[in-house]
Amino acid sequence: AIRMTQSPSSFSASTGDRVTITCRASQGISSYLAWYQQKPGKAPKLLIYAASTLQSGVPSRFSGSGSGTDFTLTISCLQSEDFATYYCQQYYSYPPWTFGQGTKVEIK
Amino acid sequence: QVQLQESGPGLVKPSQTLSLTCTVSGGSISSGSYYWSWIRQPAGKGLEWIGRIYTSGSTNYNPSLKSRVTISVDTSKNQFSLKLSSVTAADTAVYYCARERMVAAIFDYWGQGTLVTVSS
Repeated sequence: AIRMTQSPSSFSASTGDRVTITCRASQGISSYLAWYQQKPGKAPKLLIYAASTLQSGVPSRFSGSGSGTDFTLTISCLQSEDFATYYCQQYYSYPPWTFGQGTKVEIK
Repeated sequence: QVQLQESGPGLVKPSQTLSLTCTVSGGSISSGSYYWSWIRQPAGKGLEWIGRIYTSGSTNYNPSLKSRVTISVDTSKNQFSLKLSSVTAADTAVYYCARERMVAAIFDYWGQGTLVTVSS
C-alpha cells in the first residue's frame, strides 16, 4: 500500500495567515491526490482533487500543488472557519486508497 | 443534492458481526458513474478506506480487512451495506459511507458517520 505522510501533524496559526501543509507519498502517484477538510464531529469535505483542482463551492483561498511524491495544500488567508484537520488521499493505486494521518490547524 | 445516511447498531459485542446500512437519497445508487464506499475513523485517528461496491455488485476491499468484510447493494432500496465479522475493540470507530467518483477515486459526498463501539 502507498503510505501518505503529512507534515506537520499540527500547528497553530492566526486568522489572516498564509499556511501550507505538506503531503508526501511513499512512491510516485502522478497527480492522483485529493485534500479533505474535517471539522470536529463532522464528515470530511472534499476540497481539492487532481492535486490542484478546486472542488465546486470551495473558496479560492484554498489551493493545491505538486506531483509525483510531494504535494502541498495552501490556504492563502486563513479564516476562522478554516480551523480544522486536513487529510490528503492518494487514488493512484489500490487497493487500498490511502489517507495521510492528518494535519490539525489550531488557533494561535 | 445527494445525501447519505448510515444506520445500524451502535454497540457490537466482540467476535460478533458489525452490520451497517447506508441509504442514499437525492440520486440513484444505480447511476453508472459512481462507486459506493465505506470508510472508518477510530477516535482521534485518521481515515481508513474499508471497501467499495458498484451498482453491478462488483466489490473491492482493503486487503487488511478483506477476510472479514462484505459489502452488498440493494438497488431497489437505494442502499448499500457493510458487514464486518469477528470484531474486536480495534474495530471501534466512526463508520462513514461515501460516494466515490469513478473517473477519479475521490469521495465527494459523505454520510454524517455513525459510531460503532465494540464492547461486551
